[in-house]
Amino acid sequence: DTAVSQTPKYLVTQMGNDKSIKCEQNLGHDTMYWYKQDSKKFLKIMFSYNNKELIINETVPNRFSPKSPDKAHLNLHINSLELGDSAVYFCASSQVFVGVNYGYTFGSGTRLTVV
Amino acid sequence: GIQVEQSPPDLILQEGANSTLRCNFSDSVNNLQWFHQNPWGQLINLFYIPSGTKQNGRLSATTVATERYSLLYISSSQTTDSGVYFCAVGSDYKLSFGAGTTVTVRA
Repeated sequence: DTAVSQTPKYLVTQMGNDKSIKCEQNLGHDTMYWYKQDSKKFLKIMFSYNNKELIINETVPNRFSPKSPDKAHLNLHINSLELGDSAVYFCASSQVFVGVNYGYTFGSGTRLTVV
Repeated sequence: GIQVEQSPPDLILQEGANSTLRCNFSDSVNNLQWFHQNPWGQLINLFYIPSGTKQNGRLSATTVATERYSLLYISSSQTTDSGVYFCAVGSDYKLSFGAGTTVTVRA
């Protein structure tokens, strides 16, 4: 059973299009995240959600809009895709309990290529 | 924001060798994790270790929070240990990642 699943695994699209990436976790965690990994493998936080509430929005362009319909899901919608959006996007989840974070579980990533 | 420096950037090992990876960070943190990204891109959590020492099989980690560094030890390395090792530090809801150490284990 996959703990954190992302779909699709690969996404190739043209500039200007709108696309979505879905993420689901079955671990019962209360916090979910989106991270972006660039071509040099540098990982950077985009968003954090705790119990469906946005906690961290790390100066991400407005074209990126996360949505958390419930604790187990965190989707990422991207409008007007640009070449610079090409990257691997990772979803992750963790359990934050009384200020203690028990470690992340990452999804397998979505490789987005904008042409 | 918090700065995270990992060293060395690259490491080539012969199978069976031991190694130490280092992570320095610029501010006090309540969250420090080590991850392994395998050659297929999967990120695996190795340790949640904001302080103290932990061991898991051939891997162990030590964090000295007062001196703002953490060490990851790989003993008796195997080819399956190849990949990028990331240190990440921060708060409950935000981790800042280092640039990683790329480890290549040769048979």
